[in-house]
Amino acid sequence: DIQMTQSPASLSASLGETISIECRASEDIYSNLAWYQQKSGKSPQLLIYAANRLQDGVPSRFSGSGSGTQYSLKISGMQPEDEGDYFCLQGSKFPPTFGGGTKLELK
Amino acid sequence: EVQLVESGGGLVQPGRSLKLSCAASGFTFSNYYMAWVRQAPKKGLEWVATISTSGSRTYYPDSVKGRFTISRDNAKSSLYLQMNSLKSEDTATYYCARVDGTTDYWGQGVMVTVSS
Repeated sequence: DIQMTQSPASLSASLGETISIECRASEDIYSNLAWYQQKSGKSPQLLIYAANRLQDGVPSRFSGSGSGTQYSLKISGMQPEDEGDYFCLQGSKFPPTFGGGTKLELK
Repeated sequence: EVQLVESGGGLVQPGRSLKLSCAASGFTFSNYYMAWVRQAPKKGLEWVATISTSGSRTYYPDSVKGRFTISRDNAKSSLYLQMNSLKSEDTATYYCARVDGTTDYWGQGVMVTVSS
């Protein structure tokens, strides 16, 4: 199985701060990567797919980048509603595998 | 509006069986692959099963292969997960998810606890 290593495990950001979360794959996943936000007690919400495509309805402060084995999610200007858990998902090879998650808090 | 509503969770003893259901609405169910994904308490996410649009193809990771069976009824816009020989490590919240390239919509999840 492809291993997805996500970092950092937790992050505290100030209002308006720009933050990045990384996912590294154990092999090339050819941009088959999605990012999700999960708020406490809720189901995951898709933010980014195909590494850099913004899902409809997601604020433009979210962006994704990367290729090969290295990918990142950037939030340009932290907002209170951005608190939650974030994780990546690779869909290049079965079974799909998830990153370990990043807990993002407002400082 | 896409809606996925899971049901059928609960407390079950090790070695027993349980069947989860997912009622879909707001989209043409028969046009999409569907999946089950689980999240153990305070742990990460794990893909459990995928099923093709017609139900003729199914995919499982080794952790559940031979014990779990995914199925669907397109006439009822419903997805199912039959779980047999349950183990304590199967304790998790189980999510039904629509697959469109990636999983774009998820249900609210249903809790399954395997314990004696």
